[in-house]
Amino acid sequence: DAGVTQSPTHLIKTRGQQVTLRCSPKSGHDTVSWYQQALGQGPQFIFQYYEEEERQRGNFPDRFSGHQFPNYSSELNVNALLLGDSALYLCASSLPGGRYEQYFGPGTRLTVT
Amino acid sequence: AQSVTQLGSHVSVSEGALVLLRCNYSSSVPPYLFWYVQYPNQGLQLLLKYTTGATLVKGINGFEAEFKKSETSFHLTKPSAHMSDAAEYFCAVTGNTGNQFYFGTGTSLTVIP
Repeated sequence: DAGVTQSPTHLIKTRGQQVTLRCSPKSGHDTVSWYQQALGQGPQFIFQYYEEEERQRGNFPDRFSGHQFPNYSSELNVNALLLGDSALYLCASSLPGGRYEQYFGPGTRLTVT
Repeated sequence: AQSVTQLGSHVSVSEGALVLLRCNYSSSVPPYLFWYVQYPNQGLQLLLKYTTGATLVKGINGFEAEFKKSETSFHLTKPSAHMSDAAEYFCAVTGNTGNQFYFGTGTSLTVIP
């Protein structure tokens, strides 16, 4: 049973560019959450998708947007990249309803230069 | 609203010694509490969770944690440290919707041979 997968593993972008990160949830999971983990910090909640809609959002600007597809996979889009967006982006999936534990993918390391 | 405070960003123990990582939480609703471990360049792996019921919870790799409501704490312990326990540990809290997890800033555990 495959766990949560994310692509790409690493990404280097330039300030002002746009980036799309992808996530496939664990089999049987229908809820996907995205987190940003800056170096030396804990993960910060960006948003959660359930039934193809954004269910809850953390304190992130509108430059951060997402999408969930009918197969429950998800994308995180970041526009107008800033140097401060450099971080590890983690995707987590959970059982129907989004309660209890979240299962994390290995993350995508984004570097903005 | 929920939040987590992890006391001690770095903890060093000798191999075979007791491991104690501290976590205090704040929650306006009955909390669900989690400990995750993160190895270098990897995602987060769930160690253990408290939702309801027994306040002493056992997890993987010999770790356990006790939920103490009166102290708003959820400290992680392991009787005997192993070299493979060296990693970053994160405490997290969520409310009864489970939509958003709030993570602490993490504790880096070093095990000295």
